[in-house]
Amino acid sequence: DAMVIQNPRYQVTQFGKPVTLSCSQTLNHNVMYWYQQKSSQAPKLLFHYYDKDFNNEADTPDNFQSRRPNTSFCFLDIRSPGLGDAAMYLCAISGTSNNEQFFGPGTRLTVL
Amino acid sequence: GQNIDQPTEMTATEGAIVQINCTYQTSGFNGLFWYQQHAGEAPTFLSYNVLDGLEEKGRFSSFLSRSKGYSYLLLKELQMKDSASYLCAVYNTNAGKSTFGDGTTLTVKP
Repeated sequence: DAMVIQNPRYQVTQFGKPVTLSCSQTLNHNVMYWYQQKSSQAPKLLFHYYDKDFNNEADTPDNFQSRRPNTSFCFLDIRSPGLGDAAMYLCAISGTSNNEQFFGPGTRLTVL
Repeated sequence: GQNIDQPTEMTATEGAIVQINCTYQTSGFNGLFWYQQHAGEAPTFLSYNVLDGLEEKGRFSSFLSRSKGYSYLLLKELQMKDSASYLCAVYNTNAGKSTFGDGTTLTVKP
């Protein structure tokens, strides 16, 4: 059974139209991460939650926001998507921040 | 900050052995992970090293030398399905997070 579920798997949006990606987990792990990954590049950490503590990466644009209403769910909001935001968005979980991460299948975002 | 270096691409033959190297420079090192990522899919965890030495897990082994800032992933008896990107990730306890290298794309040929 999937431990990390991401919806939708494919998302198409228009330039500037807000979009929300969702992630849920079945393991009650403390840490949830959002990564952006472009073709042939490393996953780039956008932010992560340790329980309710939010940790934003210094170079994450303000255009990206996140919410974690409870242990199981985490959302990525892109307020005004640009063409450069087209990428795979990966959600991951771990028991603690120095444990291995379990990744969801990702949401591939296309911006028209 | 952290600097993680891996070869961009490697090619090997089915049935052979391949070694993928990863070098890193970081303060607050507290573990190194290897992940496998097939094209269009999410990374999956392969191994974790925090102490020096070799960790063996079936056809895959991972080695770490903390003093040299060096790790390798060894894949034996290569299979076509091993064609994938292999990501090295270093955990920095000062930053409280892992940073990924750009990955090594391995192509296994018949």
